[in-house]
Amino acid sequence: RKEVEQDPGPFNVPEGATVAFNCTYSNSASQSFFWYRQDCRKEPKLLMSVYSSGNEDGRFTAQLNRASQYISLLIRDSKLSDSATYLCVVNTETGRRALTFGSGTRLQVQP
Amino acid sequence: DGGITQSPKYLFRKEGQNVTLSCEQNLNHDAMYWYRQDPGQGLRLIYYSQIVNDFQKGDIAEGYSVSREKKESFPLTVTSAQKNPTAFYLCASSMKGPNYGYTFGSGTRLTVV
Repeated sequence: RKEVEQDPGPFNVPEGATVAFNCTYSNSASQSFFWYRQDCRKEPKLLMSVYSSGNEDGRFTAQLNRASQYISLLIRDSKLSDSATYLCVVNTETGRRALTFGSGTRLQVQP
Repeated sequence: DGGITQSPKYLFRKEGQNVTLSCEQNLNHDAMYWYRQDPGQGLRLIYYSQIVNDFQKGDIAEGYSVSREKKESFPLTVTSAQKNPTAFYLCASSMKGPNYGYTFGSGTRLTVV
């Protein structure tokens, strides 16, 4: 089982749609969770951290469910500029101080 | 402006050659990391360093070497022992540890010719 698993997509949605991505992680002791955005042939950029109580940043909402070991990202009112790959990122290993990245979910927003 | 700089942006290597990828940051971050990304895949950890003169192997360290002689610099050498080095290499840094998230450089695309 992969440490961090995501549905690779692609998710093809029209502008204005609401889309949700889920991600599961294997280590129940994981402490830190993030969503990164990666545009084609570019470096990943931090979209948002994910907090236990859930958090929102404009059109983006992140949720953490520790009991089920998954995190989610909800994008409301999708824009063409949201088209990218969204990476689920987790600090998975106690003692190994480095992040583990999922393979990413590709989103294509269509006009 | 503070940031993390990788060079070169594109690199071509002949089989059997060693090449070194540069990574420099002026963010005063303690921790630095190297990842490799293959087409359509996620990032895989090669090496990381929490402090100067110390570094640890990641998941795919074989065929790679690093040094951390200065806080600002974390160069990666891709040796001839790395059998499939063609990939996108990303360097990142963070304050003290991964719980703070990373800042990435813009990457180096290495191609074996």
